[in-house]
Amino acid sequence: EIVLTQSPGTLSLSPGERATLSCRASQSVSSSYVAWYQQKPGQAPRLLIYGASSRATGIPDRFSGSGSGTDFTLTISRLEPEDFAVYYCQQYGSSPPVTFGQGTKLEIK
Amino acid sequence: EVQLVESGGGLVQPGGSLRLSCTASGFTFSSYWMHWVRQAPGKGLVWVSRINSDGSSTSYADSVKGRFTISRDNAKNTLYLQMNSLRAEDTAVYYCAREGRVFYAFDIWGQGTVVTVSS
Repeated sequence: EIVLTQSPGTLSLSPGERATLSCRASQSVSSSYVAWYQQKPGQAPRLLIYGASSRATGIPDRFSGSGSGTDFTLTISRLEPEDFAVYYCQQYGSSPPVTFGQGTKLEIK
Repeated sequence: EVQLVESGGGLVQPGGSLRLSCTASGFTFSSYWMHWVRQAPGKGLVWVSRINSDGSSTSYADSVKGRFTISRDNAKNTLYLQMNSLRAEDTAVYYCAREGRVFYAFDIWGQGTVVTVSS
């Protein structure tokens, strides 16, 4: 089973700052199989990034994804108030088919 | 509008059973693989099960294998999760999610249904 480890656990930043969230896999993952989600309290997750770097429909261009192999990154270029939430990375593999990271909470400083 | 709506959650005693439903609208349900994902209170997302578009292939997380059964009725645009031998650790919000057709990610999620296993 591929384990995804996200860091940091909590990130405290101010609106307008740049956020960099990390997701490290326990073994190499194809970039095609890496996604990022945003979840706000009481809401379902929302797809932000698929294929490691492609933005989902309607996602602002301040969100970007990058990485390959075992290291993947979600970057938010300039934080807006609505961006403070929990972010999860996900990989789609073979057994089990899907695993998620434990999440990074992005909070207002 | 593309939408998934879950139902069937509730309070059940340990060892009991529950069937969750997820009704799809606004897209061709029969063309998509579907998943169940759960989230225990205050915890992260955990994948539970997957079913392919025609229902002929399924997969499960080890934690639910042998207890949960995923199925679908494409004529009714509905996904199901039959949960038996429920345990306290199955307490969670259960989400159904659509897998994108050209990418390996979940592009549409339901609002979730709450399952509480307690005596």
